[in-house]
Amino acid sequence: EAQVTQNPRYLITVTGKKLTVTCSQNMNHEYMSWYRQDPGLGLRQIYYSMNVEVTDKGDVPEGYKVSRKEKRNFPLILESPSPNQTSLYFCASSFGTGLYEQYFGPGTRLTVT
Amino acid sequence: AQSVAQPEDQVNVAEGNPLTVKCTYSVSGNPYLFWYVQYPNRGLQFLLKYITGDNLVKGSYGFEAEFNKSQTSFHLKKPSALVSDSALYFCAVRDDSGGYQKVTFGTGTKLQVIP
Repeated sequence: EAQVTQNPRYLITVTGKKLTVTCSQNMNHEYMSWYRQDPGLGLRQIYYSMNVEVTDKGDVPEGYKVSRKEKRNFPLILESPSPNQTSLYFCASSFGTGLYEQYFGPGTRLTVT
Repeated sequence: AQSVAQPEDQVNVAEGNPLTVKCTYSVSGNPYLFWYVQYPNRGLQFLLKYITGDNLVKGSYGFEAEFNKSQTSFHLKKPSALVSDSALYFCAVRDDSGGYQKVTFGTGTKLQVIP
């Protein structure tokens, strides 16, 4: 089954404790992206990747890092989480940019205390 | 720069009535426009997209959307609403001025279909 998986689905952590949210897709997609969803703000793009070793900032990249060492995986790293990073995070992938629709993972709800 | 506006936080419609969820956009280049739906505790699912050509686009679950270049709008429509259509709907845009790399979403519109 074609899918985007994220882990963990739920995470509660404390300020400053490094964490990684994993994202994996089995559709051989070139484009992958991370979003955060906050009430009243919709989805905002954090980082995206056009292909292996090619990443770029979205609209809200501060406090986040990403890497794309393999085509299928695109982890999101929070090196020193802060409470304002409490949010619902989604990973998405697509065949490419432009006209291609994105496939979304189930989401990761992160709480930073 | 690109932006998307969904002017209504919530739309209420009676079951069986037509529904419209509004979206307007602003881009520097030529846009590709998308609608996604989010059910509670789920990720977003693709509904339909406008690339080029016919301004009326048909998608999943009986939804359609009309692209209007002069009004920079891409409203989502359905002739007869179902209770199961109740969900959160997002409009999104990519434009060619940035190589279509970035994606911008609207703030979402909650659709409530009343039995």
